[in-house]
Amino acid sequence: QSALTQPPSASGSPGQSVTISCTGTSSDVGGYNYVSWYQQHPGKAPKLMIYEVSERPSGVPDRFSGSKSGNTASLTVSGLQAEDEADYYCTSYAGSSNFVVFGGGTKLTVL
Amino acid sequence: QVQLQESGPGLVEASQTLSLTCTVSGGSISSGSYYWNWIRQPAGSGLEWIGRISASGSTNYNASLKSRVTISVDTSKNQFSLKLSFVNAADTAVYYCARWPTMRGAFDIWGQGTMVTVSS
Repeated sequence: QSALTQPPSASGSPGQSVTISCTGTSSDVGGYNYVSWYQQHPGKAPKLMIYEVSERPSGVPDRFSGSKSGNTASLTVSGLQAEDEADYYCTSYAGSSNFVVFGGGTKLTVL
Repeated sequence: QVQLQESGPGLVEASQTLSLTCTVSGGSISSGSYYWNWIRQPAGSGLEWIGRISASGSTNYNASLKSRVTISVDTSKNQFSLKLSFVNAADTAVYYCARWPTMRGAFDIWGQGTMVTVSS
């Protein structure tokens, strides 16, 4: 059982928007602004898409955005494209002892 | 551009020790403020953080694996390593190394991953 809770699946049609949630506790998501999101295509390493809740690394399309409210973080993918179909994982810093916790992952399907 | 590359045996016998190395290229493992991490992913499952090390050798481990894990760093070779003892089938996974900049708070660079199978 993962420390952060994500829905196992999400879907949307091309051009639509989809939001994936990531729920933790006040000891991780709610306690720090170090929530990050990763995209993983089959057989590939995860790729950083969002860091510090809502920041995008260079090269990541602005269709990807992040937010947080209380103990729940969210990743929104706008203007869905076929190449967005992948697994998405959230991560949160959880203090110096536990360091990080992962979500169980969400499989995003572009219909 | 910094790159990470995992290396090590793809097959380990049960009860033995899994040993992997991550080589950092395109930059020094000692420069900047980073933690160097090991993360694993069993087939069809999610990601699990194993542990981290700084260039100075300070470590933190996942509590569930702490009794079996050792992470070390060799700055002269620009490498850091993972040892996981007394492995069993549940340790079969793709193992990734990844960099965590302290000022960014995320795993910004990942290795391609290496599959390790524990045989009985």
